[in-house]
Amino acid sequence: DTGVSQDPRHKITKRGQNVTFRCDPISEHNRLYWYRQTLGQGPEFLTYFQNEAQLEKSRLLSDRFSAERPKGSFSTLEIQRTEQGDSAMYLCASSSYFTGPANTGELFFGEGSRLTVL
Amino acid sequence: EDQVTQSPEALRLQEGESSSLNCSYTVSGLRGLFWYRQDPGKGPEFLFTLYSAGEEKEKERLKATLTKKESFLHITAPKPEDSATYLCAARAAGNKLTFGGGTRVLVKP
Repeated sequence: DTGVSQDPRHKITKRGQNVTFRCDPISEHNRLYWYRQTLGQGPEFLTYFQNEAQLEKSRLLSDRFSAERPKGSFSTLEIQRTEQGDSAMYLCASSSYFTGPANTGELFFGEGSRLTVL
Repeated sequence: EDQVTQSPEALRLQEGESSSLNCSYTVSGLRGLFWYRQDPGKGPEFLFTLYSAGEEKEKERLKATLTKKESFLHITAPKPEDSATYLCAARAAGNKLTFGGGTRVLVKP
């Protein structure tokens, strides 16, 4: 399968711990996005990478959140000192130059990483 | 601030019973209105992009339309496999999509 892959699919952690999620985009896609989705709500934009450059970041993203895409391929999203309000599904999506919001509008989403903070 | 609101929150339909979902948006300088479908436990799957008022797109039993303030997703003669959450999203500048809360559609046989 050559879709977007996310790992782990489910993470349970205690408040105050750090967690890291990994996203492997579709191989030829140079653009990568992170979204967060809570139960019953639509996805909320977190950040956007073009190759290794982080070009957009939500103002809602606290300093406890950091994302990287060191070689322009996979990306990691780290949450430090987790809080119960961080419990959500973290979705990764990718696009090529010809798809994505600025072109056809198509984002290819992974199945998400569900975080539960106790 | 960009805002997207979907209604109703949930919709129960009998198989074959056509209906419409609403997406109203407040976006400064709309550059695209998108519809996605999301199945439980999965990521959203792209359906349509609309760019200007009056535009329509169709795919099987789904048709999306756009006005200056809202978009509609019409489901004609739905089947149980059309059961899903339907999300709309708007784009202004940049690469950020602002999503609505979704409409959960259940089609009963």
